[in-house]
Order: sequence, then structure tokens, then C-alpha cells
Amino acid sequence: DTAVSQTPKYLVTQMGNDKSIKCEQNLGHDTMYWYKQDSKKFLKIMFSYNNKELIINETVPNRFSPKSPDKAHLNLHINSLELGDSAVYFCASSSKGGSYEQYFGPGTRLTVT
Amino acid sequence: AQSVTQLGSHVSVSEGALVLLRCNYSSSVPPYLFWYVQYPNQGLQLLLKYTSAATLVKGINGFEAEFKKSETSFHLTKPSAHMSDAAEYFCAVRETGANSKLTFGKGITLSVRP
Repeated sequence: DTAVSQTPKYLVTQMGNDKSIKCEQNLGHDTMYWYKQDSKKFLKIMFSYNNKELIINETVPNRFSPKSPDKAHLNLHINSLELGDSAVYFCASSSKGGSYEQYFGPGTRLTVT
Repeated sequence: AQSVTQLGSHVSVSEGALVLLRCNYSSSVPPYLFWYVQYPNQGLQLLLKYTSAATLVKGINGFEAEFKKSETSFHLTKPSAHMSDAAEYFCAVRETGANSKLTFGKGITLSVRP
């Protein structure tokens, strides 16, 4: 059973294109996240949704837009891709309350050429 | 504001040797603390967590960490390294509060020599 899944695993595209990454969790969690991991492996949160409501929105370009159709899904749409967007994007989820430990998806490696 | 410091970028140990990965944090309130492991081309997997219960926390794969408030540290240890422990290790802190975020350290690469 896959707890947090992401598609696609690899995404290669050209500058200026628009692309989406999908994330689904079957853990029954209320909160979902998007992280960006750069080439130096530094992890930074981008967005967090709780039950379809945006609760964390870090300093991310407006070209990035998350969408949560329901609490089990959180998609990331990126407009006008730039070279600097190349990174690994991780989706994660956590339950509300307790220790808020997060469960991560396998990642999507985005390469912009 | 919360932050995490992981000194160094790479630790190399021999198989069977002690593993010690250091983590120091800053937080204005008692935090939750986590260690995650990332194997090549994979997502992050939770190794262990501190949530204000026991200060010595045992995790998966023989790892443990001790919360020391006076030193603001949460170092990760394993008595005997195995080749399969080679990976990237991240320490993370989260303040209490429903909408707090998880802040990661920069990570440290563990290599295990035969």
C-alpha cells in the first residue's frame, strides 16, 4: 500500500512550459505539503493545506499554484517554467494533532531545459 | 523563529563503528524534533521523533537520539554502522501549534566504509 504517491516521478520540460505534479495520500491525513529540494539537498517548504484550506504559503513565485480538490489530494501547477525551477519536489502529509509527523512521497524530479 | 544546525556535510565511518550525527536546534518554545533518512532517489523516511516524552528516543534500524534541553541538541547515534545505513540524514524541528511548519537542517551524508 502506497501511503503518499506522486506522479510523475520524472518530468523533463522546456523553459516557458506549464506543468503539473499530482499527489495523493491514503493515510486519512488532514494536512498536506509541498517541499522543494534543491541540488544541494536543502529542503524547504512551499505550501501547506489543511482540509483543502491553504495554511502555509512561503515566499514562492506566483507561477507556483497549489490546488487541493479534496483532503486526500494536493496538486502543484507551475506556469512559465524557468531553469531555476529544476529540483526534486516532495509531497507530504500529516495528521492534525499529536506530533504532526510527516510522511513523504517518493518525489518528482523536475528538469527544465 | 525555529532553526536547525547540522554541522558538516559528510561523515564517513567504518562498518561496525559508532555513528554520531549532530543536530542543534533553536526554538522559542519546546519543540518537536525529528530525524529523517533519505536513501538515493527516494523520499524521506521518519527514523525517530521526540515529542516531550522520554528524552532518549529509539527509532528504526537501531538508531536512537537523545534530547538535551540544556544543550539544545538532538544528536543521532547508532552503535554499529551497517553498509545499508549509507544515506542522507536530516534533522528537523517543529514548534507546537496547529499551523507550525517543519524546518529542516541542511542534511548530512553518511558513508560507510567496508
